[in-house]
Amino acid sequence: QSVLTQPPSASGTPGQRVTISCSGSSSNIGSHTVNWYQQVPGTAPKLLIYADNQRPSGVPDRFSGSKSGTSASLAISGLQSEDEADYYCAAWDGTLNGNVFGAGTTLTVL
Amino acid sequence: QVQLQESGSRLVKASQTLSLTCTVSGGSITRGGYSWSWIRQPLGKGLEWIGYIYDSGSTHFNPSLKSRVTMSVDRSKNQFSLKLTSVTAADTALYYCAAGVLGHYGDNSVYFWFDPWGPGTLVTVSS
Repeated sequence: QSVLTQPPSASGTPGQRVTISCSGSSSNIGSHTVNWYQQVPGTAPKLLIYADNQRPSGVPDRFSGSKSGTSASLAISGLQSEDEADYYCAAWDGTLNGNVFGAGTTLTVL
Repeated sequence: QVQLQESGSRLVKASQTLSLTCTVSGGSITRGGYSWSWIRQPLGKGLEWIGYIYDSGSTHFNPSLKSRVTMSVDRSKNQFSLKLTSVTAADTALYYCAAGVLGHYGDNSVYFWFDPWGPGTLVTVSS
């Protein structure tokens, strides 16, 4: 059971905008920055968003991150078939004294 | 950007020690600002951070695994390693190594992300 809660699944049609939520507490999201990773099946995770809302070079601006209080969200606009993947949020947890991941959200493009 | 590659024992007997090495290429393991982490993923499940090491040898482990984990770094080979003792079937997983950016800001806040990751290696614990 992860301390960061994500919905197990999300879906959308091509071109749509979808959001994935990540709910935590004051010991993690409420105090430390949030990162998002994309994992296409059969491959290693890839950094998608860091420091709450920053995109690494090469990540399309269709992907955006936000944070408010103890919750964070990943938004994907202009959904494409290649966005089908698992998405994980992550943050430092001061109580557990380590990095924690959400359980992941499987995104399906219908 | 640096690239990482895991190697090591793919099949480990229960109660024995899992050993993996991550080779860093395209940059020095001593480059400033980076920590070097191990992360694992049981097949079909989520990610679990195991711990990190700096090129200085300073380490920090996931408290849930701390009693069984050691990490080391070999600067001359541009490698860092993981040892996990007393393994059980629950330790069967894909093991990834990753470069980490870790720092502090504000009063006591932490930023910590992993980029890039190695491709991963599957380690199976057999009985």
